[in-house]
Amino acid sequence: DGGITQSPKYLFRKEGQNVTLSCEQNLNHDAMYWYRQDPGQGLRLIYYSQIVNDFQKGDIAEGYSVSREKKESFPLTVTSAQKNPTAFYLCASSIAGLAPYEQYFGPGTRLTVT
Amino acid sequence: QKEVEQNSGPLSVPEGAIASLNCTYSDRGSQSFFWYRQYSGKSPELIMSIYSNGDKEDGRFTAQLNKASQYVSLLIRDSQPSDSATYLCAPSVSYDKVIFGPGTSLSVIP
Repeated sequence: DGGITQSPKYLFRKEGQNVTLSCEQNLNHDAMYWYRQDPGQGLRLIYYSQIVNDFQKGDIAEGYSVSREKKESFPLTVTSAQKNPTAFYLCASSIAGLAPYEQYFGPGTRLTVT
Repeated sequence: QKEVEQNSGPLSVPEGAIASLNCTYSDRGSQSFFWYRQYSGKSPELIMSIYSNGDKEDGRFTAQLNKASQYVSLLIRDSQPSDSATYLCAPSVSYDKVIFGPGTSLSVIP
């Protein structure tokens, strides 16, 4: 079955700790994205990557970091510098090209920081 | 600041009726447009994409695009209770990313 997996589904951390969220896809997509969703709001782009070993900041990159060492994997680290990290984190992937193609989402990770 | 606006909800329609969801966007350069459905507590699911002016139909769903008016809509015919969800509009803002609207909550009343 092709798809996107995110783990864990729920994550609890103490303030001041870094935490890494996993995202893996076997759709053979070149592009991958990380979004954040807060209650009652739309999705905001954190980071995205069109190709291995390259990534760009989105609209709210401060306090986050990513890596893209493999086509299939795009982990997101929420650092202690992120002032309000509690949110629903969504990973997506798509074909890369000259225009945005359909993005397909993983099931998401709910992060709670206390 | 590129923006996307969607009709404020919640939108309630009786079962079997047509639900009309509207979206306006500020970026005249937007070329690709996507509609996602998001059930409460779940991740978004792609339901329609549209790239050219006019209508595109897929089953009970019809997307309508008017680039001159910077307007895209989604019609759901014969609405079912299972259609109750939040619908997100997402126009492109560059060749490699989209921007999501705040969503419209739809409730289909049996």
